Amino acid sequence: GDSVTQMEGPVTLSEEAFLTINCTYTATGYPSLFWYVQYPGEGLQLLLKATKADDKGSNKGFEATYRKETTSFHLEKGSVQVSDSAVYFCALSGVDGGSQGNLIFGKGTKLSVKP
Amino acid sequence: NAGVTQTPKFRILKIGQSMTLQCTQDMNHNYMYWYRQDPGMGLKLIYYSVGAGITDKGEVPNGYNVSRSTTEDFPLRLELAAPSQTSVYFCASSYLGPWEQYFGPGTRLTVT
Repeated sequence: GDSVTQMEGPVTLSEEAFLTINCTYTATGYPSLFWYVQYPGEGLQLLLKATKADDKGSNKGFEATYRKETTSFHLEKGSVQVSDSAVYFCALSGVDGGSQGNLIFGKGTKLSVKP
Repeated sequence: NAGVTQTPKFRILKIGQSMTLQCTQDMNHNYMYWYRQDPGMGLKLIYYSVGAGITDKGEVPNGYNVSRSTTEDFPLRLELAAPSQTSVYFCASSYLGPWEQYFGPGTRLTVT
């Protein structure tokens, strides 16, 4: 079935450092891909999305490119801030069998940014 | 416009008790979802609904029930609570399909 694998955390960075959080997926069709962010004590919020191969999603300085050849959707930011401290979830829209039409989430990566 | 609201925020249940987690959205979304989030395990889909009167099981439905009598409300019922149901529960909604889901703030449930 469809699945998402993202790098395990926690990730600790200094302010203004470069961020990469790796995400790879397995799907039989052509899913849409998403990054959601969860700030402490809150629900998830959509950060960015890409609906087809080579699309780049971007928001709040974060970017991710849909790479079909490597089945990846890595999240990047050039200069992180303390306010970016959160848990980041990679997700895909299911296309296989029972998961069709639903979101499949990775386990999440906790990011802590130190001043 | 409150978005997705959930009540209660916290609850402690004893083994065998029952309760209903409430979820309401005011965005006129067709799709609604219930997830549970266990530490380090991401989110697992419990049940979802594509419209009033229509519900379907997700990945982990055992021990739960849902109903969808209106577009706005999607309550989750726990019967005979078990320690394995200790988790944080999130309700979400979306307009057309799973693309952009809006999440509520969550309910932290402990079963002892």
